[in-house]
Amino acid sequence: AAGVIQSPRHLIKEKRETATLKCYPIPRHDTVYWYQQGPGQDPQFLISFYEKMQSDKGSIPDRFSAQQFSDYHSELNMSSLELGDSALYFCASSLGGGANNEQFFGPGTRLTVL
Amino acid sequence: QQQVKQSPQSLIVQKGGIPIINCAYENTAFDYFPWYQQFPGKGPALLIAIRPDVSEKKEGRFTISFNKSAKQFSLHIMDSQPGDSATYFCAASMADSWGKLQFGAGTQVVVTP
Repeated sequence: AAGVIQSPRHLIKEKRETATLKCYPIPRHDTVYWYQQGPGQDPQFLISFYEKMQSDKGSIPDRFSAQQFSDYHSELNMSSLELGDSALYFCASSLGGGANNEQFFGPGTRLTVL
Repeated sequence: QQQVKQSPQSLIVQKGGIPIINCAYENTAFDYFPWYQQFPGKGPALLIAIRPDVSEKKEGRFTISFNKSAKQFSLHIMDSQPGDSATYFCAASMADSWGKLQFGAGTQVVVTP
């Protein structure tokens, strides 16, 4: 079965650079969530989109922005990168926005900021 | 501040043992409680989930017990196997939160042969 696809899988950037992470949800899924997981930490919710509109926002820095496109894929744009942004970034997708809808997680993008 | 408190941080059991992971919450608006399993370098995968109107749910070797009055829920892994060695996260979400999951801190479970 098709799963959530994230690219790139690994990314190395310098401080103050920008990064773009991409997420391709499971076909027919219309909701995308972004989570950040620091080393040894639990995933922290960043932002979500339902039908291309932002549906909820968590602890996402102002330096980050995201959007969902007409084909439902999503991109997380990160600017002025800091050392503390080094983490695993997960995208999850679900069919239908709202709670109680199973979220399927992608394999993650490991971002390292040097 | 962690809205879902999870314990223990780590757990070692022998094959066949029953690891038990506990979670507690304060926000009574939470109405969906999933458990996720995560292997190193992989994304979390949903194991089993429960809603507050049910006190217990079983799926295969995994059982959730839910105590609404105590605002606690737990995961039991029956007849644990070395392949169950992973990090387990409890989580919670609210009906009006568009699915935003609040995760516990995670429990690293090691099942020895």
